[in-house]
Amino acid sequence: GDSVTQMEGPVTLSEEAFLTINCTYTATGYPSLFWYVQYPGEGLQLLLKATKADDKGSNKGFEATYRKETTSFHLEKGSVQVSDSAVYFCALIGNAGGTSYGKLTFGQGTILTVHP
Amino acid sequence: DSGVTQTPKHLITATGQRVTLRCSPRSGDLSVYWYQQSLDQGLQFLIQYYNGEERAKGNILERFSAQQFPDLHSELNLSSLELGDSALYFCASSLYSPLSNTGELFFGEGSRLTVL
Repeated sequence: GDSVTQMEGPVTLSEEAFLTINCTYTATGYPSLFWYVQYPGEGLQLLLKATKADDKGSNKGFEATYRKETTSFHLEKGSVQVSDSAVYFCALIGNAGGTSYGKLTFGQGTILTVHP
Repeated sequence: DSGVTQTPKHLITATGQRVTLRCSPRSGDLSVYWYQQSLDQGLQFLIQYYNGEERAKGNILERFSAQQFPDLHSELNLSSLELGDSALYFCASSLYSPLSNTGELFFGEGSRLTVL
């Protein structure tokens, strides 16, 4: 079945540092890939997405590129802020025609803490 | 605001009891998903409904059940509660249809269940 593996956290950075959170996936066909973010005490919010190979999703300074050859969707940000402290989830929706039924399969989440 | 409404936000109950969690999806979304978030299991998919019918089942216990009503709101029923059922339960909705399953999911803020 579909699965997502994220780098283990937690990740602690100083403000303005470079961020990378690794994500790899296993799925048949061509899944859509997502990064969701969960701020303390809140629900999950979509951060960015990519629906086909080589697409780059971007939002709020975060970027991730859909790499089919390495089955990866790593999240990056050039300069993190304290307000980026949250839990980040990589996820996928399996391809149409399969048995995913539009449901998200999540990675285990990575806790990011950014210090001033 | 995602447009997905969940009630109650917090719930404290005793072992052996039964609770009902309610979810109103975004306007226009026919598909509703339930997820359980716990510290040890991460985000686990429980069940999906599409236009009133069960569409996909994940790691949902037999003590749990759900339904989607004609007005598209959904309820998750948890019975014979155990300490291990304490978790954050999320509802999400999407524009998923059998012909298109690559849309993003929009999450509510969750219902935090504590079983004492």
